[in-house]
Amino acid sequence: QKEVEQDPGPLSVPEGAIVSLNCTYSNSAFQYFMWYRQYSRKGPELLMYTYSSGNKEDGRFTAQVDKSSKYISLFIRDSQPSDSATYLCAMSVQTGANNLFFGTGTRLTVIP
Amino acid sequence: GAGVSQTPSNKVTEKGKYVELRCDPISGHTALYWYRQSLGQGPEFLIYFQGTGAADDSGLPNDRFFAVRPEGSVSTLKIQRTERGDSAVYLCASSLLLGDEQFFGPGTRLTVL
Repeated sequence: QKEVEQDPGPLSVPEGAIVSLNCTYSNSAFQYFMWYRQYSRKGPELLMYTYSSGNKEDGRFTAQVDKSSKYISLFIRDSQPSDSATYLCAMSVQTGANNLFFGTGTRLTVIP
Repeated sequence: GAGVSQTPSNKVTEKGKYVELRCDPISGHTALYWYRQSLGQGPEFLIYFQGTGAADDSGLPNDRFFAVRPEGSVSTLKIQRTERGDSAVYLCASSLLLGDEQFFGPGTRLTVL
């Protein structure tokens, strides 16, 4: 079993829809949770970073962490065609951790 | 300013050959990381450097893989006796300090025929 599980999709939504992306994990030691966006043939770029349980909002993006369920989510409101990309969740045990544990990524297409 | 750059962007080689992949981190970043991303998968950690030393190489799959960072800036990932299973995108990332946000390069797409 992988330490981080993520539905690979693909996921297609109409422009303006609310998108929900999710990951589950097995290692209860994970404390830091991130969402990366990766466009085709590009490296991942950090979107959201949260510590422990709770919510964090940044513009159209909201990240949620539920450590009791080992479940994290990313919500995208008013989705735009430019949001079409692969979204990767990532986690680490502690700040200063050298390595991140990634999910497989969910490929999202927002249809105009 | 310039981001992380990786060369070559694409590398096609034959099984059994030796390859070198180069990473130029963001200027001033002390930590450098290598990941491997297979098709349809997320990146998997290979090795990271703090300065010139390989602080953790636990992700390297076997002894055919080796990486150096002799002057604490540019890093080279070296793969000996390449196998078809080594085909993947090799991503490099750097951060100002260990634990800071990692900035990724575009990757080198390695294809072993």
